Amino acid sequence: GNSVTQMEGPVTLSEEAFLTINCTYTATGYPSLFWYVQYPGEGLQLLLKATKADDKGSNKGFEATYRKETTSFHLEKGSVQVSDSAVYFCALSDYGQNFVFGPGTRLSVLP
Amino acid sequence: EPEVTQTPSHQVTQMGQEVILRCVPISNHLYFYWYRQILGQKVEFLVSFYNNEISEKSEIFDDQFSVERPDGSNFTLKIRSTKLEDSAMYFCASSEGSMAGGKETQYFGPGTRLLVL
Repeated sequence: GNSVTQMEGPVTLSEEAFLTINCTYTATGYPSLFWYVQYPGEGLQLLLKATKADDKGSNKGFEATYRKETTSFHLEKGSVQVSDSAVYFCALSDYGQNFVFGPGTRLSVLP
Repeated sequence: EPEVTQTPSHQVTQMGQEVILRCVPISNHLYFYWYRQILGQKVEFLVSFYNNEISEKSEIFDDQFSVERPDGSNFTLKIRSTKLEDSAMYFCASSEGSMAGGKETQYFGPGTRLLVL
């Protein structure tokens, strides 16, 4: 079945540091890939998405590129802020419609 | 901007009691979903719903769970006889259409935190 693997957290960075959160997936078809973010005490918010190979999703300074050859969708940001502290979930959506989420990576950004 | 809403935000119930979690999906969306997240764990799919019927469900969605769209705006999840292990955050989501149309992005509500005592 489909699955998503994310790097283990928590990740702790200083403000303005470079962020990478790795995500790899296994899917039988050609899924769409997503990053969702969950701020403390809140629900899931769509951060960015990519629907086909080599697409780059971007939002709020975050980027991720759909790499079919490495089945990856790593999340990056050049300069993190304290306000980026949250849990980040990589997810895929295949023809079956329901999403498959990774386990989440908790990011803490220190001032 | 349209958003998915859920009520209540928190619910505490006794084991064995029935609970109904309510969701109002985005108005032009056709696909509806329920997910749950046990504290500190991953988000797990429960069920998807389209055209007034369940289109897919996971192993978690056993006979004690049911979903309904009682009117044109609400989408509910009922847990018939709650167990301690049902304590979790329950998220409702909706999407406009199918992946084929590129409209499969799911928009999530803020969640209902259910605590079963």
